Amino acid sequence: SYELTQPPSVSVSPGQTASLTCSGDKLGNKYASWYQQKPGQSPVLVIYQDSKRPSGIPERFSGSNSGNTATLTISGTQAMDEADYYCQAWDSSTYVFGPGTKVTVL
Amino acid sequence: QVQLQESGPGLVKPSETLSLTCTVSGGSISSYFWNWIRQSPGKGLEWIGYVYYSGSTNYNTSVKSRVTISIDTSKNQFSLKLRSATAADTAMYYCARVPAAGDPFDYWGQGTLVTVSS
Repeated sequence: SYELTQPPSVSVSPGQTASLTCSGDKLGNKYASWYQQKPGQSPVLVIYQDSKRPSGIPERFSGSNSGNTATLTISGTQAMDEADYYCQAWDSSTYVFGPGTKVTVL
Repeated sequence: QVQLQESGPGLVKPSETLSLTCTVSGGSISSYFWNWIRQSPGKGLEWIGYVYYSGSTNYNTSVKSRVTISIDTSKNQFSLKLRSATAADTAMYYCARVPAAGDPFDYWGQGTLVTVSS
């Protein structure tokens, strides 16, 4: 079955840029989506189709996907961006999630 | 604004059937795919499966032998049944919508915690 890999944690200083990676075999040939989940809340879609932002998602969230790696970039990271982030892809008619990356804003 | 709300027992005994319902409000249940996703305590997200408004289904192979997802368009509801529950099925269960198979999950319910324990 298809698997996605994410680093368990990323730390970033306020105002700096956080880069979160998601790796999978030929992931660049699929669409990657990203979800933000804060404690006690449901996930929220922040990036879809590799780089598109849903309405209401700040411009500081951006995405890319090429080769085996998709990347979520948070520019000018704010304290409110501290959360778990999950990547997701669609493979063989199955939704697959990565294990998640915890972003800590120090 | 579409809203999804999960409901069902918070405690299920081992070997029994875990049953949940998701009620959709603020929009039609037609022409979309309706999903169940779960998250074990402190763990990541696992897609369980979806039902299309027509009634067709698609399940994750990890639970396919034990799961049924059905839809009642007259009530704007869809349901999950997971048979032979074990402690490993203890999780927060979310319902979520996608516009088409393979699309991302654009609306989520708030989730409901189900514990499997005697």
